[in-house]
Amino acid sequence: DMKVTQMPRYLIKRMGENVLLECGQDMSHETMYWYRQDPGLGLQLIYISYDVDSNSEGDIPKGYRVSRKKREHFSLILDSAKTNQTSVYFCASSLQGGTEVFFGKGTRLTVV
Amino acid sequence: TQTVSQSDAHVTVFEGDSVELRCNYSYGGSIYLSWYIQHHGRGLQFLLKYYSGNPVVQGVNGFEAEFSKSDSSFHLRKASVHWSDSAVYFCAVRGTNSAGNKLTFGIGTRVLVRP
Repeated sequence: DMKVTQMPRYLIKRMGENVLLECGQDMSHETMYWYRQDPGLGLQLIYISYDVDSNSEGDIPKGYRVSRKKREHFSLILDSAKTNQTSVYFCASSLQGGTEVFFGKGTRLTVV
Repeated sequence: TQTVSQSDAHVTVFEGDSVELRCNYSYGGSIYLSWYIQHHGRGLQFLLKYYSGNPVVQGVNGFEAEFSKSDSSFHLRKASVHWSDSAVYFCAVRGTNSAGNKLTFGIGTRVLVRP
C-alpha cells in the first residue's frame, strides 16, 4: 500500500520548546519533502531530501532543520519553536525525477 | 525561476455543472505541470500531469486539463461535478532545469459544489 505517514497529526507546543515531526514512506522513494501550508500562501517548501543525508534547503528553511538517516524516514525539527511556526506541515515523497508527489495527511502544529 | 498563478481563489458551482479552474505559469524552458486535489483535513492527492504530447490529459474521476504553450496555461476542467469534488485544487509546476525536484505550487482554488 503506497503511503506517506506523518506523526503526530496534532501537536500543541509552547514557544521555545523543541518540536519533532516524523514522516515515513513505504515506497522506497529517494526524494522526500517538507512543506508548510498557511491560508492564502499555498504550500511552501521548507526542505527537500534527495536520499539519506542528502538534504537541501527549500524556500523557507529558516528556523527548521531536517534529518534523514534512513531512506524511508524524514524528520523535521524545530529548535525553539516560535508562534509564527504555527501551521500545517506536510511531508511528501516522490521518485527521483518523478512528477507525481505523494503526500501525508499533515501535522497541525500550534505554538502558543 | 518558475512561478504559478491560480487566479480564482473560490469557485462555487452546482452539482452537474461544468467547472474550469485556471492555472498560468512562467518558466523559460520545458516544464512539468500537474494538478492536485486536497479535501478538507487531508493531504494533497495527485490528479494528473503533463509534460509533452497530447495537450489534453485525462486524470482521475473525470478531470482533464489542457496545456497551452502560447497562453502559458494548464487549466483543469470537469464536465459534470459531483458534491464530492468540493475541495481545494492546486496547480504545480516544475521546470526541467529546476534544481532537484522542486515543485512550485499555486495558492489553490477552493471549489464548493452545491446540491
